Amino acid sequence: EVQLVESGGGLIQPGGSLRLSCAASGFTFSSYNMNWVRQVPGKGLEWLSYIRHRGGPGSIHYADSVKGRFTISRDDGANSMFLQMNNLRAEDTAVYFCVREKYGSGNYWEYFDSWGQGTLVTVSS
Amino acid sequence: DIQMTQSPSTLSASVGDRVTITCRASQTISDWLAWYQQKPGKAPKVLIYKASILENGVPSRFSGSGSGTDFTLTISSLQPDDFATYYCQQYINYSRTFGQGTKVEIK
Repeated sequence: EVQLVESGGGLIQPGGSLRLSCAASGFTFSSYNMNWVRQVPGKGLEWLSYIRHRGGPGSIHYADSVKGRFTISRDDGANSMFLQMNNLRAEDTAVYFCVREKYGSGNYWEYFDSWGQGTLVTVSS
Repeated sequence: DIQMTQSPSTLSASVGDRVTITCRASQTISDWLAWYQQKPGKAPKVLIYKASILENGVPSRFSGSGSGTDFTLTISSLQPDDFATYYCQQYINYSRTFGQGTKVEIK
C-alpha cells in the first residue's frame, strides 16, 4: 500500500524557517516524480514545487509564490522528500501535502495519484 | 500561468440528481486535465485523468468530457458519499494549477 506521511509542521513566527519531511513507503520512491501542494484551511489547492526522479536538467520547479524562499529536495536512499521553508509569512499558513505523480502514462507532466494526509504550518506571532 | 476557472462555486443537489461541474482553462490544455474529490479533513483523491479516463476503483457514475479549454465533470446519480468539494487541475506544464473548487452540498 502506498503511504506518504508528512511531518515537521507547527507554529512558527513570521520570518522563521521550517523543514517539512515526507516519508514514502509501499512503492519504489526513486522512480517517481514528487510534489508539494498546500491548502489554506477552507480554501483551494495550490501547487508549490516539483522534483523529478533521479535529477537531471529541469528537475526542480517552484511556484512564483515560494520561489527563492522554499527549497525542495529528496533522499532516495531514505525514501524521503523535504521542503525547506525560509522567511515564512502569514500567508504561508496552510496544510502542506506530499504528493506523488502518476508514473509512466506517457506525458512529461502528470496528474497526482497519491497524497499524504498533510501537515499544518501556522505562521503567526 | 494557466488559470483554471470552475463553475459553479457551490452546488446544492439531492441524492439521485444528475450533477455537472464545468472547468475552463485560460489557454488550450489539450486533454491534460484531472478531476479530484476532497472531503473535509482529508486529502484529495483523483477521480478522472486525461479529461475522461476513470481512475481505477472510481464508480462509473462519474464521467468527464472536454478538450482544449472547456471540460465537464458529471455525476449521473448523486450518492450520499459524493457530497464533497471537486477540483479540476491542468497538467500540460510543470505548474499544475487547480480550479478554485466546487462544493457539492445537500439540498
